[in-house]
Amino acid sequence: QVQLVQSGSEVKKPGASVKVSCEASGYTFTSYDVNWVRQATGQGLEWMGWMNPNSGDTGYAQKFQGRVTLTRNTSKSTAYMELSSLRSDDTAVYYCGRVYCSRTSCYFDYWGQGTLVTVSS
Amino acid sequence: SYVLTQPPSVSVPPGQTARISCGGNNIGTKIVDWHQQKPGQAPVLVVYDNTDRPSGIPERFSGSNSGNTATLTISRVEAGDEADYYCQVWDSSSDHWVFGGGTKLTVL
Repeated sequence: QVQLVQSGSEVKKPGASVKVSCEASGYTFTSYDVNWVRQATGQGLEWMGWMNPNSGDTGYAQKFQGRVTLTRNTSKSTAYMELSSLRSDDTAVYYCGRVYCSRTSCYFDYWGQGTLVTVSS
Repeated sequence: SYVLTQPPSVSVPPGQTARISCGGNNIGTKIVDWHQQKPGQAPVLVVYDNTDRPSGIPERFSGSNSGNTATLTISRVEAGDEADYYCQVWDSSSDHWVFGGGTKLTVL
């Protein structure tokens, strides 16, 4: 069965960087885009960017341009999200999600369990 | 950028029908997906491609999309349906995924 397993919680100081991993299993990792979404406590879902694990191509939400980097290690079937210059308002749960594309549309069909990143001095 | 507007909350008694709206400019020309999120859990896809259900999602969940409003309808609501629901579209003009602000469904 398809699973996306994310790395554990992180606590970082303002100005630092964090790197969250998302290990895929149960399918061919390079066949589906991986996206990243975050959710601050009590808030809604916020899309951050996408990555094609086959080509390494990426696209980022304008809000995070220059601060987020999406990468992958195909030998480990793992995607990574690195966010730099952390601020207190980056405190959130970060999710990875697989995007499946049919002939007619694309959609998030599986999500990771989420990784809490806390930014605090 | 494209904006999706959802009501913050919807309340219905058990056994009744819940309708959660998602408003957007000409959203009927886009493809809408819906995710359910229970407290402390990751989101779960409940409707994709406007009207389709993933395997394992009850037939009680259905979607529609026309004009400026997409709607998630949950028939015969159960206590276990209490959750936050988010609509989502791909905005091709900005190449961004966009989420609505979410609607908290309360089963009275």
